[in-house]
Amino acid sequence: SYVLTQPPSVSVAPGKTARITCGGNNIGSKSVHWYQQKPGQAPAVVIYDSGDRASGIPERFSGSNSGSTATLTISRVEAGDEADYYCQVWDSSSDHYVFGTGTKVTVL
Amino acid sequence: QVTLRESGPALVKPTQTLTLTCSFSGFSLSTSGMCVSWIRQPPGKALEWLARIDWDDDKHYSTSLKTSLTISKDTSKNQVVLTMTNMDPVDTGTYFCARTRRGERAYFYYYMDVWGKGTTVTVSS
Repeated sequence: SYVLTQPPSVSVAPGKTARITCGGNNIGSKSVHWYQQKPGQAPAVVIYDSGDRASGIPERFSGSNSGSTATLTISRVEAGDEADYYCQVWDSSSDHYVFGTGTKVTVL
Repeated sequence: QVTLRESGPALVKPTQTLTLTCSFSGFSLSTSGMCVSWIRQPPGKALEWLARIDWDDDKHYSTSLKTSLTISKDTSKNQVVLTMTNMDPVDTGTYFCARTRRGERAYFYYYMDVWGKGTTVTVSS
């Protein structure tokens, strides 16, 4: 089955840039979606189709996807960006969604 | 405004069947490209997708749980129901439903753009 691998944690100082990777076999050929989940809340989409920002998401959030890695980049990180982030793709070979392992972003 | 709300029992016994209902408003599941997915999250763990039902009644299931899941819709009531048989303590967690919409470029893609708040299910005797 298709596997998406994310680093368990990323730490970043306020104002700096956080990069969260999502590794998968030939993921560059897939449409990748990113979700943010704050403690005690439901997830919310931040990036869809690898690079499009969801409604209401600031321009500080951007996505890219190539080869075997998709990346969510958060520029000028703020305390409010502290959350778990999950990547997701549709695996056409098995006809179902796959979520990544999740990355906890900590703002120092 | 699109909203979704999950409902169902907070506690079920091992081997019982769980029935969860997703009640939604602000969109129609008969509109082309609209779908509803179920996702769960064990305490402290990652998200796990369970099932999706599409506007044309096409259904998709997690490979690992396919034999225990059934998803259905009642378009007139704006509801989607998920049943999971033979519940086990490892099935304890928060269950979310989410509107899943289709986008199109040179290909179709589906993403979960609005989520319910989730409902917590504990499996214990």
